[in-house]
Amino acid sequence: QVHLVESGGGVVQPGGSLRLSCVASGFSFRTYGMHWLRQAPGKGLEWVAFTRFDGSNKYYADSVMGRLTISRDNSRNTLYLEMSSLRDEDTAVYYCAKASSGYSSSWYLFDYWGQGTLVTVSS
Amino acid sequence: EIVLTQSPGTLSLSPGERATLSCRASQSVSNYLAWYQQKPGQAPRLVIYGASSRATGIPDRFSGSGSGTDFTLTISRLEPEDFAVYYCQQYDYTPPATFGQGTKLEIK
Repeated sequence: QVHLVESGGGVVQPGGSLRLSCVASGFSFRTYGMHWLRQAPGKGLEWVAFTRFDGSNKYYADSVMGRLTISRDNSRNTLYLEMSSLRDEDTAVYYCAKASSGYSSSWYLFDYWGQGTLVTVSS
Repeated sequence: EIVLTQSPGTLSLSPGERATLSCRASQSVSNYLAWYQQKPGQAPRLVIYGASSRATGIPDRFSGSGSGTDFTLTISRLEPEDFAVYYCQQYDYTPPATFGQGTKLEIK
């Protein structure tokens, strides 16, 4: 049974930093790409970042490029999101999600999601 | 970037009725179109992928159709647990993956 558990959210001042974690279980973490997505309060879903199974390639939404960094530790079955230079508009629930397969056509299909962790950027 | 437009914004129906939700893409995404269900306070759940394939554990009252730019999610007979927000998402032209703005399916 696939299980994704995010942690690390909280309240941070504008310009501040935070690191989110997502611990995975129930599947072979090291063989799947992983994503971060977010949802601002009362709003829709926004894709944030993707890392391939081995961390060799990483992709970002334009809105977070240069400020958020995705990484993974396959020995710990853990995905990370390093967040810096945070802005008010980064306030959201952040979800980690599993890519549905190793085929490139399905890298951006999200078959399992964590429960999310709330990041609030406020002074 | 592919823009997805969902309609209607809100759909008010009663249990037992049929629901039809639409998603239109700004350009063809072939059949690389997924639907997600999200209930209040919960993470999204994959419902349909490849425009018409049901995800694991999804009941057969859910069906998807369409290709190219026009897609439909149909729920044949609404159950109380089906009332939620539904998002379409394209995964053809990536990055970025893009989502529609959502359709809220509410109890009439």
